[in-house]
Amino acid sequence: DIQMTQSPSTLSASVGDRVIITCRANQSFSRWLAWYQQKPGKAPKLLMYKASSLESGVPSRFSGSASGTEFTLTISSLQPDDFATYYCLQYNSYCLTFGGGTKVEIK
Amino acid sequence: EAQLLESGGGLVQPGGSLRLSCAGTGFTFSRNAMTWVRQAPGKGLEWVSSLSGSAGNTYYEDSVKGRFTVSRDISKNTVFLQMSSLRADDTAMYFCAKHRGVTSDEAIDSWGQGTLVTVSS
Repeated sequence: DIQMTQSPSTLSASVGDRVIITCRANQSFSRWLAWYQQKPGKAPKLLMYKASSLESGVPSRFSGSASGTEFTLTISSLQPDDFATYYCLQYNSYCLTFGGGTKVEIK
Repeated sequence: EAQLLESGGGLVQPGGSLRLSCAGTGFTFSRNAMTWVRQAPGKGLEWVSSLSGSAGNTYYEDSVKGRFTVSRDISKNTVFLQMSSLRADDTAMYFCAKHRGVTSDEAIDSWGQGTLVTVSS
């Protein structure tokens, strides 16, 4: 099974900061990786799919990239609405795997 | 726009059973794979089970194999998760989710609001 290691688990940042979240897989696979944002008490929301494709309606300050087994989500300029928990999801195999999550907190 | 509504959660004793339902509108179940994801209190997201949109192939996370069964009623655009031999560590919010395509190798693009399952004596 594909395991996803997400880092950091917690991130303290200020409005306007550039934020980078990473997911590393234990084996190589195609770009079948998505990123989700979850706020307390709410369902996750799709941000990126196929590693670097921006979901419709998601602000362009969000971007994704892939290099080997490492996938990154970048927020170019953190906004107040972006304080939340972020998860990666690999859907390359029929056994899906989430990363452990990154909580983005106000510094 | 796809919408999903889960129901069936509640308090159940260890060893008991529960059946979750997820009713979908705005899309056709036979054209989209469906997945159940759970989230224990204060924890991260965990994949539980998926069902493909075409042949209805099913897939399960190891800890629920043999205890959980995913199924669907296409005529009612509803997917089910039958849970048995429930344990305390099954306590979680259970989300129903829709994939963009007919198989689960497409991203999840819609989620329900979740239904809470509590396993406790």
